[in-house]
Amino acid sequence: EPEVTQTPSHQVTQMGQEVILRCVPISNHLYFYWYRQILGQKVEFLVSFYNNEISEKSEIFDDQFSVERPDGSNFTLKIRSTKLEDSAMYFCASRGTSGSTDTQYFGPGTRLTVL
Amino acid sequence: GDSVTQMEGPVTLSEEACLTINCTYTATGYPSLFWYVQYPGEGLQLLLKATKADDKGSNKGFEATYRKETTSFHLEKGSVQVSDSAVYFCALSDGYSGGGADGLTFGKGTHLIIQP
Repeated sequence: EPEVTQTPSHQVTQMGQEVILRCVPISNHLYFYWYRQILGQKVEFLVSFYNNEISEKSEIFDDQFSVERPDGSNFTLKIRSTKLEDSAMYFCASRGTSGSTDTQYFGPGTRLTVL
Repeated sequence: GDSVTQMEGPVTLSEEACLTINCTYTATGYPSLFWYVQYPGEGLQLLLKATKADDKGSNKGFEATYRKETTSFHLEKGSVQVSDSAVYFCALSDGYSGGGADGLTFGKGTHLIIQP
């Protein structure tokens, strides 16, 4: 069964450093998402991406964040200058078709720790 | 804006007990409703979904009915197992936004602990 994969599973970085989190969505999917989950809190939507551009973003997704689909398979989230409060689990998700009824499939997540 | 409210956990039950996890929502349009499950150390997995009023989603013995009149989507299971121990998230996707790129709005999650 096709699945969303994410690398690395755990990333440790120093405050102020740039990090890139990588995701490989399900191959025939068209819509891509990033979410984050701060420890013990709810999962929060960050950004959605379709047709090589951002479709929707939340208030969390400020100028420190960017997303890119550099090739036909990868989808990345970059945090330009990490802060302590960026420590969280980051989930990538993808969906195949248009319409909110279709299911978003989530990857296993990348745990980001900012020291 | 959209929101999802779940009962706070943790919820601790004995094996074979009945389970209900309450979920209510507010949305501007005609949302689709989802339950996701997160097992320890793992990512989010779709448990079940319902896309319109009165639909019932079901999977692995769990079920939830989309109740538009009460804006609810409560998760139920008749007899829980130790292996059901996990965090359960209720979520919605608001069809009103259109475009097909909607982000999911999640509840805070309910930690379920099943004791043998």
